Amino acid sequence: ETGVTQTPRHLVMGMTNKKSLKCEQHLGHNAMYWYKQSAKKPLELMFVYNFKEQTENNSVPSRFSPECPNSSHLFLHLHTLQPEDSALYLCASSHSPGQGGYEQYFGPGTRLTVT
Amino acid sequence: SQQGEEDPQALSIQEGENATMNCSYKTSINNLQWYRQNSGRGLVHLILIRSNEREKHSGRLRVTLDTSKKSSSLLITASRAADTASYFCATDGISGGYNKLIFGAGTRLAVHP
Repeated sequence: ETGVTQTPRHLVMGMTNKKSLKCEQHLGHNAMYWYKQSAKKPLELMFVYNFKEQTENNSVPSRFSPECPNSSHLFLHLHTLQPEDSALYLCASSHSPGQGGYEQYFGPGTRLTVT
Repeated sequence: SQQGEEDPQALSIQEGENATMNCSYKTSINNLQWYRQNSGRGLVHLILIRSNEREKHSGRLRVTLDTSKKSSSLLITASRAADTASYFCATDGISGGYNKLIFGAGTRLAVHP
C-alpha cells in the first residue's frame, strides 16, 4: 500500500445520516485531493487542497463538505446523501507543482453505499 | 467532456503476450500519466511522460507520447497474471491549475495464465 490511508474502508449509511471520511498521508505532500469513482464512469475530481487552502471545487453538491485542517489530513463530511452518491471515494496526495513532481499517490478508497 | 480516452475498453490476453493500450486527449498538456487500479482499490502511479518527451521505459512498461496526434500508448511486455487490472491515462493540462489531472475511463486488462 502507499503512504496514503483512508478510513473507513467500507461505509453504509442512510440518507439522513451524517458521516465523515478520513484521509491521512505520510509522504510530506502539500496537495490533497478527493475523487469519486462510480461504476462505468471516469474518475471525477471533487476537491483539491493546496497548503490547506481549497483550490478546486468541481461543482460538488453541498451535501459533500471537505475539511483540510493541515497538509497531512483531509476529511469529507457527508450529510443527507442520495443513493446515486454510492461510489468509491478516493483520496490522493502529491507535491505541489511549485515543488516539482506531479504524480499523485492514492489511498485504497472508501466504498460508500447509501441506502 | 473528459480529456483522456483509452482504447480498447477491454483487453484479454494470455500470459507472456504483450498488451498495448492507447490514450487520446483533446487539449495541450504539461504531462501525461498512466495509473493502474486493481479491482476496487486505489490507483497506483506507473509512469509519467512530459510533453517534451517521446518515449519512456520503466521495467516491462513502455510509454510513447505523440503530441501532434494528441495520443499516448502504454505497452506492457511479457504480461503476467498479476498485471490484470484497469489502466488509466491522466492528463495534466496546461490550462489546469494545481496539478489537476483529468482521467480517462480506463482499459480493463485481463491476463490469463
